[in-house]
Amino acid sequence: NAGVTQTPKFQVLKTGQSMTLQCAQDMNHNSMYWYRQDPGMGLRLIYYSASEGTTDKGEVPNGYNVSRLNKREFSLRLESAAPSQTSVYFCASSSGGGSGNTIYFGEGSWLTVV
Amino acid sequence: SQQGEEDPQALSIQEGENATMNCSYKTSINNLQWYRQNSGRGLVHLILIRSNEREKHSGRLRVTLDTSKKSSSLLITASRAADTASYFCATGSVSGTYKYIFGTGTRLKVLA
Repeated sequence: NAGVTQTPKFQVLKTGQSMTLQCAQDMNHNSMYWYRQDPGMGLRLIYYSASEGTTDKGEVPNGYNVSRLNKREFSLRLESAAPSQTSVYFCASSSGGGSGNTIYFGEGSWLTVV
Repeated sequence: SQQGEEDPQALSIQEGENATMNCSYKTSINNLQWYRQNSGRGLVHLILIRSNEREKHSGRLRVTLDTSKKSSSLLITASRAADTASYFCATGSVSGTYKYIFGTGTRLKVLA
């Protein structure tokens, strides 16, 4: 049982380049999330998908787009990377709804924009 | 701005001592969760407490929730060097628990 798998693990981009971070979960979860983590800032929610076919903005959505491809997959796209987007990105999933569910995280993707 | 704010930002204790960290939040919540992150890794769920609960235990962990003060505390008893990690609180909103907002975290170092 792989849980939440995200790729790539490491990536270096030049300013202005685009890229897509891929995420897949095998727990049949309804909800999926993308967070970024910067030193001293904790985790900030970029976008989330409450269920297949829906996506919503989180705290810091500017500069990003997402696609909930199917129930398993939720991708994050940087259309024109900027140095301010240098961060560690975490994909996560949960069964969603109800009165609280555990969030399961991937191992992170380290992105550097130069 | 962040929903949750942990306090202290960093904590250093000796092995065997208890560690207490606090989380404050701003809006009404449905539930609050605590997570642990080892350096360079993803976050791992520790414990969830619902808004109608005041205290919860799991092994060496004790979590309290005071909704009137909009705060929670995590107590780790008899700490071990392996407890060295960052600890985060996450809040689920009343309007729906799809969106979880994390705090800035407490970095705990347990000295052997």
